[in-house]
Amino acid sequence: QVQLQESGPGLVKPSQTLSLTCTVSGGSISSGSYYWSWIRQPAGKGLEWIGRIDTSGSTNYNPSLKSRVTMSVDTSKNELSLKLSSVTAADTAVYYCARENRGAIDIWGQGTMVTVSS
Amino acid sequence: DIQMTQSPSSLSASVGDRVTISCQASQDITNYLNWYQQKPGKAPKLLIYDASNLETGVPLRFSGSGSGTDFTFSISSLQPEDVATYYCQHSANLPLTFGGGTKVEI
Repeated sequence: QVQLQESGPGLVKPSQTLSLTCTVSGGSISSGSYYWSWIRQPAGKGLEWIGRIDTSGSTNYNPSLKSRVTMSVDTSKNELSLKLSSVTAADTAVYYCARENRGAIDIWGQGTMVTVSS
Repeated sequence: DIQMTQSPSSLSASVGDRVTISCQASQDITNYLNWYQQKPGKAPKLLIYDASNLETGVPLRFSGSGSGTDFTFSISSLQPEDVATYYCQHSANLPLTFGGGTKVEI
């Protein structure tokens, strides 16, 4: 069964770049026609789709974050990465990597909490 | 962006009750509507995809219906383990957006 695990710093200073990695296990990231998404959730709030990438490296970003987001994929390592630049306190959230299957998010990582604070 | 509006934002019901949650899209999304369950401290879990299709392994007491702009999610007989927040999400176009959530308590 495919599993996703996010990793990265739990604390990022304002104006710096948030960098997260998602490791896919239990199957090849290149198997099937899936998109791989990043979704975030501030404490006590709802879910926000950040964007997605396919294994060819084609990306789609949420327009609200597009100017600050970069996603990449390393199929040899079965890994995804997310970079969010110029972070502020508003970017404090649990960040999830997830698999999108025909529009539905069918597999989620456990999430990683990122706090933006000096 | 398509806005997804859920109601109610919270509800309290008794074990065995039928629970219904509504989700309204700001424009026609045909049947591109998914439902998730999120328990505290956990990642969301897909329950229903394409408005009415039950994800594998999900109990039959969960169901979804609707098309166009108006959708309904139901739990036919509420169980203690169903305490969670439920979200709708459209996949008609990008960006994907979620409803604000409905917290279900007993």
